Amino acid sequence: DAGVIQSPRHEVTEMGQEVTLRCKPISGHNSLFWYRQTMMRGLELLIYFNNNVPIDDSGMPEDRFSAKMPNASFSTLKIQPSEPRDSAVYFCASTFRRGLSSGANVLTFGAGSRLTVL
Amino acid sequence: GIQVEQSPPDLILQEGANSTLRCNFSDSVNNLQWFHQNPWGQLINLFYIPSGTKQNGRLSATTVATERYSLLYISSSQTTDSGVYFCAVIANAGGTSYGKLTFGQGTILTVHP
Repeated sequence: DAGVIQSPRHEVTEMGQEVTLRCKPISGHNSLFWYRQTMMRGLELLIYFNNNVPIDDSGMPEDRFSAKMPNASFSTLKIQPSEPRDSAVYFCASTFRRGLSSGANVLTFGAGSRLTVL
Repeated sequence: GIQVEQSPPDLILQEGANSTLRCNFSDSVNNLQWFHQNPWGQLINLFYIPSGTKQNGRLSATTVATERYSLLYISSSQTTDSGVYFCAVIANAGGTSYGKLTFGQGTILTVHP
């Protein structure tokens, strides 16, 4: 298994530009999570999906952020317009859960996408 | 929401030394995981341990759920153990807290040769 695959690994963009981060979860996993890591705030959960449905997006910082999961093998996190304070490493993680009432099993993280907004 | 506190924040060791990292959490949990973030930024799951004790080579972990803490033991440390160790939990509450893995701030471990 190739693990959780994220792209791009690095992105440098200018303020105001649209940024799209991509994630391919592990085949067979039905829960997908987007996290953001910064020095100041540590690892924060932005949004998570179960069976392609967004369950909790309360961590999404503002309307400039949006996430989609059109099918079980692909998710995107979009920032439009981007701002310098969005600079961070964005991680995608996946796991298999039998139901929302069961705690998530072991999370497998992708390598992350390092975003720099100038 | 649930609070996760890790200690110590920083730890410097000589190769071969043993260490204990601690994770305290403010509410009952149904999921607790330990991760290692290596110097390249990759997050690797070490243990899934909501309760009890597990061992994997030089690493072991113990979670005492009733007292709301977990310990990660590293024995005979090696330079490759350097990095940040995170504890993450899911609160035992209802509703949308299910699946929300909340991370502590981490312990930065540096192992010198």
